Amino acid sequence: AQSVTQLDSHVSVSEGTPVLLRCNYSSSYSPSLFWYVQHPNKGLQLLLKYTSAATLVKGINGFEAEFKKSETSFHLTKPSAHMSDAAEYFCVVSDTGGFKTIFGAGTRLFVKA
Amino acid sequence: DTAVSQTPKYLVTQMGNDKSIKCEQNLGHDTMYWYKQDSKKFLKIMFSYNNKELIINETVPNRFSPKSPDKAHLNLHINSLELGDSAVYFCASSQDWTANNSPLHFGNGTRLTVT
Repeated sequence: AQSVTQLDSHVSVSEGTPVLLRCNYSSSYSPSLFWYVQHPNKGLQLLLKYTSAATLVKGINGFEAEFKKSETSFHLTKPSAHMSDAAEYFCVVSDTGGFKTIFGAGTRLFVKA
Repeated sequence: DTAVSQTPKYLVTQMGNDKSIKCEQNLGHDTMYWYKQDSKKFLKIMFSYNNKELIINETVPNRFSPKSPDKAHLNLHINSLELGDSAVYFCASSQDWTANNSPLHFGNGTRLTVT
């Protein structure tokens, strides 16, 4: 069975400091993993995806994530936070397309000036 | 603009009413979805259609009925609205539901408030 756990419901950082949003997953098969971002009153936008190619995945807006099979983790990082990064972030695991796509509970990122 | 667009953006209605939300995508995708996001931001799939055929129907009350007139449209009709239906409903599409690396493209959501 699949599952995804976002370890922090809220993360607060200062502008210009690194961002780390943690995600652990469980999957019976070789999963695809995604990070989506949701800004207030908006839909979800794909940040990046892992699909069994390179374990370090680069996404939009300077974000990247590393797939670590041994730790069953897919943490999202960014070297330097910007005010515009303040949003809700969702880690997603997918075994077989949309049928088995599981969303994490989300992590709210706050960025302080 | 290529996008997933849904209307209306906001919907306020009274208990017992019937309402519809419309969704259209011009991305050429075969698969469309309806998701419900509750007040704690938790996202749960409700329905999925592939090329006008229903492929996912989660445990959703019969009061919710999706309709897909063609593969670019997936509408959601809700009968006898209840307070607990208040949520944000997202339409999404993907290129190929059988491929686990096919990302979802979301609309901007419809905030439904039932009073």
